[in-house]
Amino acid sequence: DIQMTQSPSSLSASIGDRVIITCRASQNINSYLNWYQQKPGKAPELLIFAASTLQSGVPSRFSGSGSGADFTLTISSLQPEDFATYHCQQTYIGLTFGGGTKVEIK
Amino acid sequence: EVQLVESGGGLVQPGGSLRLSCAASGFNFRTYEMIWVRQAPGKGLERVSYMSSSGSNMYYADSVKGRFSISRDNAKNSLYLQMNSLRVDDTGVYFCARQLTRDGYTLIDSWGQGTLVTVSS
Repeated sequence: DIQMTQSPSSLSASIGDRVIITCRASQNINSYLNWYQQKPGKAPELLIFAASTLQSGVPSRFSGSGSGADFTLTISSLQPEDFATYHCQQTYIGLTFGGGTKVEIK
Repeated sequence: EVQLVESGGGLVQPGGSLRLSCAASGFNFRTYEMIWVRQAPGKGLERVSYMSSSGSNMYYADSVKGRFSISRDNAKNSLYLQMNSLRVDDTGVYFCARQLTRDGYTLIDSWGQGTLVTVSS
């Protein structure tokens, strides 16, 4: 199975900060990488697919990059509604998620 | 509007059984692949099971293989997960979700609100 490792597991940031979350795959997954946002008590929501394609309706402050085994999710200017947990997911072989990154208020 | 509504969760003793249901509406259910994803308390997400649109192809995570069974009734727009021989580590929120392929990339674009399964004596 392909393992997905996210870092950090949690971070504290302030409104307006630039936030970068990384996701590393245990092997090459080309661009088969998705990002989801999950708020407490809610289901995840798709933010980005194919490593860098923004899902319809997602604010442009979110962006994704990377290919191969290393990927990043960037929030250019953190907003109050962005405090949540972010999950990466590979779909190159099967479907597996990273452990999640919790973004908290500093 | 796409809606997925899970039901059937609850408290069960180790070794017991539960059947989860997911009622779908707002889209042509019979044409979509469907999955069950679970989340243990304070943990990440795990795809538990998958079923193709026709029901002919299935997948199970190693952790549930031989104990869980996925099924669907396209006439009733419903997805099911029969869970037998439940263990304490099966505890978590179970989400029903819609899986699709866009531009050659697989993604999950719709999720239910989840149903809590607690396995405890």
